[in-house]
Amino acid sequence: AQSVTQLGSHVSVSEGALVLLRCNYSSSVPPYLFWYVQYPNQGLQLLLKYTTGATLVKGINGFEAEFKKSETSFHLTKPSAHMSDAAEYFCAVSDRVFGNEKLTFGTGTRLTIIP
Amino acid sequence: GAGVSQSPRYKVAKRGQDVALRCDPISGHVSLFWYQQALGQGPEFLTYFQNEAQLDKSGLPSDRFFAERPEGSVSTLKIQRTQQEDSAVYLCASSSTGLSSYNSPLHFGNGTRLTVT
Repeated sequence: AQSVTQLGSHVSVSEGALVLLRCNYSSSVPPYLFWYVQYPNQGLQLLLKYTTGATLVKGINGFEAEFKKSETSFHLTKPSAHMSDAAEYFCAVSDRVFGNEKLTFGTGTRLTIIP
Repeated sequence: GAGVSQSPRYKVAKRGQDVALRCDPISGHVSLFWYQQALGQGPEFLTYFQNEAQLDKSGLPSDRFFAERPEGSVSTLKIQRTQQEDSAVYLCASSSTGLSSYNSPLHFGNGTRLTVT
């Protein structure tokens, strides 16, 4: 069975500061990993994903994440936070054995940006 | 359409009532997923369709939950005899390709918020 743990249900950073959202996964097979963002009363939007190849993945809105197999981590970062980054962020894992995007999500991290 | 459309946007049901939630995926999308998102939680997988075939329904919490996609486009999630624990946001998502394709991203709808009183 696969699972995702997001450390910190709430994270606050100052505008312009580094954003770091933590995600650790558990999977019996090499995983596919995803970060999604959810704005209030909206669906989820894909930020970035890791499938194979380069372990540093760049996504939209200046976000990036690094897959570290030895640490079973896929932390999300952004060098400089913007007010528009305030949202809920979900890390997700997919068991590639099934070959479809049946995702297992973490419980989410709410990001607040302090002006 | 431009995106995945879900209706109604909000639904209030009295305990014991049946409800039907509709999802209009992006035109031509093969894959369709339903997820349940309880308050303060991440979405949890309910069921998956490829065209009209329901290939995975392992996430449906009980036999009160039923989903269909008879013509391979619009899908309906039906909940019979609703219970308070069914209160959640129900998200629908679609993608343009079928199995084993991670090059096609999932497009999520804005969800239906179900409140059972």
